[in-house]
Amino acid sequence: AQSVTQLGSHVSVSEGALVLLRCNYSSSVPPYLFWYVQYPNQGLQLLLKYTSAATLVKGINGFEAEFKKSETSFHLTKPSAHMSDAAEYFCAGQNFGNEKLTFGTGTRLTIIP
Amino acid sequence: DAGVIQSPRHEVTEMGQEVTLRCKPISGHNSLFWYRQTMMRGLELLIYFNNNVPIDDSGMPEDRFSAKMPNASFSTLKIQPSEPRDSAVYFCASSSNRGKETQYFGPGTRLLVL
Repeated sequence: AQSVTQLGSHVSVSEGALVLLRCNYSSSVPPYLFWYVQYPNQGLQLLLKYTSAATLVKGINGFEAEFKKSETSFHLTKPSAHMSDAAEYFCAGQNFGNEKLTFGTGTRLTIIP
Repeated sequence: DAGVIQSPRHEVTEMGQEVTLRCKPISGHNSLFWYRQTMMRGLELLIYFNNNVPIDDSGMPEDRFSAKMPNASFSTLKIQPSEPRDSAVYFCASSSNRGKETQYFGPGTRLLVL
């Protein structure tokens, strides 16, 4: 069964520093993978998605993620954190042909001025 | 595009009352999903529809929960009777058959059952 694990429920970085949010998936077949962002009192917004094309995926707001099959990982990065990046980030997986999304537990990102 | 629309945005009710949450998916989208978000359990898929037909309701907690999609532009999630443990944020999402891997989420309904 598909499962997604996010390491670190809380991550704090200084403004201007590298953001790294970790996500590992468990599946016998490489799935589709997603990162969503949730700002306070709002719904989830798609940041980026991997759908078996390029392994390095660029998303909105300067975020990108790299699919590494050998490590079963899909970590989210941004070179320079901005105060507006403070939010909760969710990694999600989806098996090909199945519309159901399986979400990780989320990582709350705090930006230190 | 208006995005996914949910109403109400906030609902406070007393235990035992019926609660109805509403969702209007993005026009032209074929699939509609209902999720529940709590601190304890995170984001859980409750049920999803494709072309107005329920496809998977295995996440519906119990018989107190029911969902309908009478047409392509409207869905309801009903809780009857409501209990304090139903307090959560309920999200609706929709996707298109052409890009069905991508789900677009509504702003959510924050439900508090006293």
